[in-house]
Amino acid sequence: DQQVKQNSPSLSVQEGRISILNCDYTNSMFDYFLWYKKYPAEGPTFLISISSIKDKNEDGRFTVFLNKSAKHLSLHIVPSQPGDSAVYFCAASGGNQAGTALIFGKGTTLSVSS
Amino acid sequence: DAGITQSPRHKVTETGTPVTLRCHQTENHRYMYWYRQDPGHGLRLIHYSYGVKDTDKGEVSDGYSVSRSKTEDFLLTLESATSSQTSVYFCAISDRGRGGGYTFGSGTRLTVV
Repeated sequence: DQQVKQNSPSLSVQEGRISILNCDYTNSMFDYFLWYKKYPAEGPTFLISISSIKDKNEDGRFTVFLNKSAKHLSLHIVPSQPGDSAVYFCAASGGNQAGTALIFGKGTTLSVSS
Repeated sequence: DAGITQSPRHKVTETGTPVTLRCHQTENHRYMYWYRQDPGHGLRLIHYSYGVKDTDKGEVSDGYSVSRSKTEDFLLTLESATSSQTSVYFCAISDRGRGGGYTFGSGTRLTVV
């Protein structure tokens, strides 16, 4: 069973507009959430994270929102840029799964057109 | 690349042969992980290590073994490669264990024919 779900395999956005990537989780023991960005032929790179004690974390153009009651988080990118085109993975940790390891979603491919 | 390297970067091997992938870090991080990335599955944990000689299984460990005899090296072995193990393999390191940001290597693309 997937514990971290990214239900949209892809998202297309115009440059300058907002990109919203969504992630749902099922394990209520998760207490730390992260977003990673991956370009082709490269390893994923850390983007932004949020602890379960917060509901928002902002870093420049990137903001992550956490709704614990809905077990939902989202990544907002404003304004979107062509260089943001990549695969975005949502990840979570906490609870009693595989020790300290992160559990990843399947990813959402973001395409930003100019 | 942030003190973590994977080798080889690409490998083609035949079904039934053993294969070892290497992850080397220069960060002295305690935690190391092996993931595989497949279309439609995202990143799935194979094995991880929380110290020298301390390893544990992840979500998709069948057909894989690991060893960590030194802090800096984490080896992933496919005992007898199968076509279902064709994938891109990523190693990651972390010094914070619980949650925290991982640093990933650039990946090894393995093709089993």
